[in-house]
Amino acid sequence: AQSVTQLDSQVPVFEEAPVELRCNYSSSVSVYLFWYVQYPNQGLQLLLKYLSGSTLVESINGFEAEFNKSQTSFHLRKPSVHISDTAEYFCAVGRTYKYIFGTGTRLKVLA
Amino acid sequence: DAGVIQSPRHEVTEMGQEVTLRCKPISGHNSLFWYRQTMMRGLELLIYFNNNVPIDDSGMPEDRFSAKMPNASFSTLKIQPSEPRDSAVYFCASRSSGGLTYNEQFFGPGTRLTVL
Repeated sequence: AQSVTQLDSQVPVFEEAPVELRCNYSSSVSVYLFWYVQYPNQGLQLLLKYLSGSTLVESINGFEAEFNKSQTSFHLRKPSVHISDTAEYFCAVGRTYKYIFGTGTRLKVLA
Repeated sequence: DAGVIQSPRHEVTEMGQEVTLRCKPISGHNSLFWYRQTMMRGLELLIYFNNNVPIDDSGMPEDRFSAKMPNASFSTLKIQPSEPRDSAVYFCASRSSGGLTYNEQFFGPGTRLTVL
């Protein structure tokens, strides 16, 4: 069985400050890891994914996440956030078709 | 490509009525998923189709829920009769079987269902 824990339900941060959204998972088999972003009244969009290889993965809009096997974590980070990053972020794990999603972290960027 | 298309975007109905949600996956994708999102339970997988065949419907909450995929470009999720506890956002997602994005699920904008 697999599970995902996103410890922070809400994270407020000032614009241009760094942010880290935490994700921990458990699985008895190797899995793929994902971060999805959901803007208000929209569907989920893939932000970045870890399949294999380099443990540090990056998105096109400045986010990065690092797969840490020993700590079973896949935290999402951005060195400087923008107002437009305000959204809900979901961590997900899976291997085949069944992806388990975390409960989400609402990132609110303050001016 | 227009992405995954869902209709209607919003549905308000009364308890006991039949509700049909519709989904058009991305052309060429052969996997389709229906999810339900609520504050209490988060995002739950209801049913998974591969090549139009239901593979896993273990997430369908009860017999009131049914889903069909008559062809590769259309799927429906039906609730009959609907109940207030079915109020949620229902998402459809699709995925290809190969290529660079084979493990990425592409989500539609969702249908917000309110059952009074």
